[in-house]
Amino acid sequence: GAGVSQTPSNKVTEKGKYVELRCDPISGHTALYWYRQSLGQGPEFLIYFQGTGAADDSGLPNDRFFAVRPEGSVSTLKIQRTERGDSAVYLCASSFSVQGGEAFFGQGTRLTVV
Amino acid sequence: QKEVEQDPGPLSVPEGAIVSLNCTYSNSAFQYFMWYRQYSRKGPELLMYTYSSGNKEDGRFTAQVDKSSKYISLFIRDSQPSDSATYLCAMISMKGKLQFGAGTQVVVTP
Repeated sequence: GAGVSQTPSNKVTEKGKYVELRCDPISGHTALYWYRQSLGQGPEFLIYFQGTGAADDSGLPNDRFFAVRPEGSVSTLKIQRTERGDSAVYLCASSFSVQGGEAFFGQGTRLTVV
Repeated sequence: QKEVEQDPGPLSVPEGAIVSLNCTYSNSAFQYFMWYRQYSRKGPELLMYTYSSGNKEDGRFTAQVDKSSKYISLFIRDSQPSDSATYLCAMISMKGKLQFGAGTQVVVTP
């Protein structure tokens, strides 16, 4: 596609529910990043993939968060047993290569846990 | 201490002035440096991408990198009200982890 696409753009869920957030990167980009951004803060690193494998998942806050990229393209961020503190904008970015490629972002998914 | 430090502002300037933004970093492994602009409720938009120390110019934007001081800057000349946004610095090491500063809110007043 022309840019990074994230769906849904908005998600409201009840505390304790499971959610999946999808990222469709720019075609041909091998690196994919997930970030979380709270109001007034910079993006907080969660995880990044090089191809199908998670190269660094050190930013995932706890074991309720998990991300996959089974075919090296689309990625899904999964959050189990959501908590109100998970409410944030979840951003996805992709780049041609983790080693120096320019990273382009999607518009984000605004997650609200009520 | 955060790996990337950026003053959150807000930074208010009159239209036509030069906007000066900067970030410092502690990890000498960072090799690539980017500046993003983010409007409210939008994703970050890549403005500038640099590798080596020195200056890079693109229209009204100039990015500077000083690796010896671990300091990067972005200058916006002839600022416009449409430049009002949050500006994020970001940097990446050869290992690939892209780290951001907190972002500086810029307000350009007509």
